Amino acid sequence: DAKTTQPTSMDCAEGRAANLPCNHSTISGNEYVYWYRQIHSQGPQYIIHGLKNNETNEMASLIITEDRKSSTLILPHATLRDTAVYYCIVRAFSGTYKYIFGTGTRLKVLA
Amino acid sequence: EPEVTQTPSHQVTQMGQEVILRCVPISNHLYFYWYRQILGQKVEFLVSFYNNEISEKSEIFDDQFSVERPDGSNFTLKIRSTKLEDSAMYFCASSKTDREETQYFGPGTRLLVL
Repeated sequence: DAKTTQPTSMDCAEGRAANLPCNHSTISGNEYVYWYRQIHSQGPQYIIHGLKNNETNEMASLIITEDRKSSTLILPHATLRDTAVYYCIVRAFSGTYKYIFGTGTRLKVLA
Repeated sequence: EPEVTQTPSHQVTQMGQEVILRCVPISNHLYFYWYRQILGQKVEFLVSFYNNEISEKSEIFDDQFSVERPDGSNFTLKIRSTKLEDSAMYFCASSKTDREETQYFGPGTRLLVL
């Protein structure tokens, strides 16, 4: 089972910031949090990842709480093309670091 | 920017036929993965591969499935005798290393078994 929980769906107005939360209360001290998105049935697209500190790249920002039990992905100025399913993933190790995908958050950006 | 490629993009086959799905991972990556996604369902891990060996496989990856790296660039998934329930999107992914490296996914192959 996925080690994360996310809201099923969210709406966001175009041009506004989209804040997508994720709970990962059982995360271990050395496990990273990864965010991907999937547009329609395309391959999952990497967005950002982090361990303890907040991270920012050209796509998004990742805010991780101090206790590391939750995180928030921020898309600063959402566009219609950001409509997708967003996955928060903490990798599971059982011989290899595979990804266990949950159901993700379906983000709909509204014009 | 380097990317994972997959061929074909779509494949239609008859039940019981063999199919081979092909992937070209990013060139300096050493770890390779296959995932699948049945329509409307979650993305599921199938198998990981490193150093010409399977590192881990899921319950889905039964004897009908096999993987191979036939040369220095391709990574293939073979389904020996397809079933209706094998209809899905199949995604290949690769990463430089295993522990902390990001996996990059290909665009997928849509397999339809009739």
